[in-house]
Amino acid sequence: QVQMVQSGPEMKKPGASLKVSCTVSADSFSNLTIIWVRQAPGRGLEWMGRTIPFLNLPHYAPTFRDRVTITADRSTNTIYMELSSLRSEDTATYYCARGNGIRAEGMDVWGQGTTVIVSS
Amino acid sequence: IVMTQSPSFLSVSPGQRATLSCRASQGISTNLAWYQQKPGQAPRLLIYDASTRATDIPVRFSGSESGTNFTLTISSLQSEDSATYYCQQYKNWFWTFGQGTKVEI
Repeated sequence: QVQMVQSGPEMKKPGASLKVSCTVSADSFSNLTIIWVRQAPGRGLEWMGRTIPFLNLPHYAPTFRDRVTITADRSTNTIYMELSSLRSEDTATYYCARGNGIRAEGMDVWGQGTTVIVSS
Repeated sequence: IVMTQSPSFLSVSPGQRATLSCRASQGISTNLAWYQQKPGQAPRLLIYDASTRATDIPVRFSGSESGTNFTLTISSLQSEDSATYYCQQYKNWFWTFGQGTKVEI
């Protein structure tokens, strides 16, 4: 059973950077598609980007392209999502998720979520 | 690709059927998933490939597709089905979600 465990809650000031980790317990880590999704309080789901660790080829949503970086450490089965130039609108719960199957048809395993508050 | 869900809110009695709609702004073939999310929880994959139930999803959840219109049907609603449901397309590299339908039992 694949598990995805995320780092703990964060409180940041506007303008700062954020780095959230997601450690995956899976033998085939490198072949997985790992996706990041966020959800602002009381709002819907927002896709941020994804990567396949084996290919080290991330894709980012246009909304975040200039501020987000997704990297993978294959030695520790950990994916990192960094978001820079934080503003209050980045207050949200951030989730990592696994792509479903080899074609990544949706997301079938999710992390527990990391709550991030951006406030001065 | 913009995904538009309707209605935004749906109130249904236990045992009744719920029909949730999702429309894509352009063709996405069957590259569509449905999720259920309860307050304070991560989303749960219900359906992928427009109509394939994910692992351990009850048979009362079903999905269908007609062109750019997609439907999630929940037959015989149960109290635990009270949640917000999202559709999501994965046709291209930039995945997008619908805005969600909140279902109240």
